[in-house]
Amino acid sequence: QVQLVQSGAEVKKPGASVKVSCKASGYTFTGYYMHWVRQAPGQGLEWMGWINPHSGDINYAQKFQGRVTMTRDTSISTAYMELSRLRSDDTAVYYCARDAAPSYYGQVVYFDNWGQGTLVTVSS
Amino acid sequence: SYELTQPPSVSVSPGQTARITCSGDALPQKYAVWYQQKSGQAPVLLIYEDTKRPSGIPERFSGSSSGTMATLTISGAQVEDEADYYCYSIDSSGDYYVFGTGTKVTVL
Repeated sequence: QVQLVQSGAEVKKPGASVKVSCKASGYTFTGYYMHWVRQAPGQGLEWMGWINPHSGDINYAQKFQGRVTMTRDTSISTAYMELSRLRSDDTAVYYCARDAAPSYYGQVVYFDNWGQGTLVTVSS
Repeated sequence: SYELTQPPSVSVSPGQTARITCSGDALPQKYAVWYQQKSGQAPVLLIYEDTKRPSGIPERFSGSSSGTMATLTISGAQVEDEADYYCYSIDSSGDYYVFGTGTKVTVL
């Protein structure tokens, strides 16, 4: 079965960077886009961007452009999301989520499997 | 930008029917997807492509869409259905991937 296992909680100071990992298993990692979604405490879900693990192509939400970097290591079936210049309002749970459509479709559709989430706390 | 609007809360008695709406200008052209999120947990896919239910999702969950509004229906709500529900879709240009504002469902 599809599993996405994320790295553990992080505490960072304002201005620092954080890198969250998402290890995939149970399917061909390069065959499906991977998205990142975040959720601030008590708030809704917010899409951050996606990466095509096969090609490395990325698409970031405009809000995060210049601060977010999504990468992958196909040898260990792991996707990464790095957010820089952290602010207090970046405190959130960060999720990786697999796209439901095979990447050869060339388009993203929706998220069918989610990681367990990684809490990132930004505090001085 | 693009927005999907949901009611903040819906209350339903056990065994009764709850309906959650999601309003968005591009919904006539784009599918709606629904997620359930229980407290402290990751979201779970409930409905995709407006009406389809993944395997393992109880039949009491159903989706529909008409014009600019998509609807999630819980027929015969159970106490375990208490959760936040989010719709999701993409705008007509394909540039914005958006979640709805979320609806808290209380079963009591």
